Amino acid sequence: EPEVTQTPSHQVTQMGQEVILRCVPISNHLYFYWYRQILGQKVEFLVSFYNNEISEKSEIFDDQFSVERPDGSNFTLKIRSTKLEDSAMYFCASTAFPTLNDFGSGTRLTVV
Amino acid sequence: AQKVTQAQTEISVVEKEDVTLDCVYETRDTTYYLFWYKQPPSGELVFLIRRNSFDEQNEISGRYSWNFQKSTSSFNFTITASQVVDSAVYFCALSEVTGANSKLTFGKGITLSVRP
Repeated sequence: EPEVTQTPSHQVTQMGQEVILRCVPISNHLYFYWYRQILGQKVEFLVSFYNNEISEKSEIFDDQFSVERPDGSNFTLKIRSTKLEDSAMYFCASTAFPTLNDFGSGTRLTVV
Repeated sequence: AQKVTQAQTEISVVEKEDVTLDCVYETRDTTYYLFWYKQPPSGELVFLIRRNSFDEQNEISGRYSWNFQKSTSSFNFTITASQVVDSAVYFCALSEVTGANSKLTFGKGITLSVRP
């Protein structure tokens, strides 16, 4: 069964460094999402992406974040200058139509 | 704005007990979807169920059952004869469909511990 793939599963980075989290959505899906879960807290919506542009973003998704679908298969989340509070699990999701999110297994980002 | 409330934060039961996880939601839309996800200690989100706002039929899947009541804006989840493997965090979530976006709004989650 097709699934959303995220790499890496765990990334450690130094404060101030740029990180790129990668996701390969399910191939016929059209809608893409990033969510964030700080340890022990709820899953929070970051951004949705459709037709090569952001369709909605949350207040968490400030100027240090950006998303891209560079080659028609990957969907990336870039954090320009990481802060300690960016440490979290980041989930990518995709859907074929706007009703059900298929989630990847997540990337645990640790900022030190 | 949409909101999901999971008032219970932690529940501990002994194996074979039944347990109900509560979920109350708020939305102004007439068309929406409700979900339950399981998050085991490994961290991934495991999809359990999706219901749309027009389908109030309760659903049973093995030891799992769901009770959707629009009159009380609730979508409760019952595990019958709980097992140690059911220990996890359970999230209820709501999706409104607005144009090209169907983001999920999650509740804070309920940590379920099932003791042998």
